[in-house]
Amino acid sequence: SYELTQPPSVSVSPGQTARITCSGDALPKQYAYWYQQKPGQAPVLVIYKDSERPSGIPERFSGSSSGTTVTLTISGVQAEDEADYYCQSADSSGTFVVFGGGTKLTVL
Amino acid sequence: EVQLVESGGGLVQPGGSLRLSCAASGFTFSSYEMNWVRQAPGKGLEWVSYISSSGSTIYYADSVKGRFTISRDNAKNSLYLQMNSLRAEDTAVYYCARVDSRVYMDVWGKGTTVTVSS
Repeated sequence: SYELTQPPSVSVSPGQTARITCSGDALPKQYAYWYQQKPGQAPVLVIYKDSERPSGIPERFSGSSSGTTVTLTISGVQAEDEADYYCQSADSSGTFVVFGGGTKLTVL
Repeated sequence: EVQLVESGGGLVQPGGSLRLSCAASGFTFSSYEMNWVRQAPGKGLEWVSYISSSGSTIYYADSVKGRFTISRDNAKNSLYLQMNSLRAEDTAVYYCARVDSRVYMDVWGKGTTVTVSS
């Protein structure tokens, strides 16, 4: 089955830039999406179609794509950004939704 | 306000059944595809099932195929997940989510907890 691979954890100091990667063979053909999930809460969409930002999401969140890897970048990280982040895409047929394993962002 | 509210979770014995519901409000439910996504304790997100806006197209993850049934009632603005032959590994928080562009989820409910245990 198709898989998306994320690093389990990323740590940054406040004000620094955090980059979370997600790799998958179908990513050149399928868009990627990113969700933020804080403890005890439902996921929130922060990036869609590789690099688009939903209304209400701070400008410090951005996304990019290069080949089989997509990247979520959080510039000027704030303490409130500490959360789990999940990438999501579809298999090569576009039929089945796939999530990455998640990355825990720790703000030091 | 766009809102999704899940209900129907609880404690069930292995082999038992449960029906989850998701009540939608604040948007035209009949125009949107919907997903169920679950999250086992301490684990990541797992997509469970998809249903098109009319209910004519349905997909399931291999882990639940043949045991779970997704359905919707557009007149009642409601989404359902009938879960049969439940296993311990089905223990999770179950979220309903509104789908955009066939693939991604732009609105999520708060979830309902299903525990399968004897």
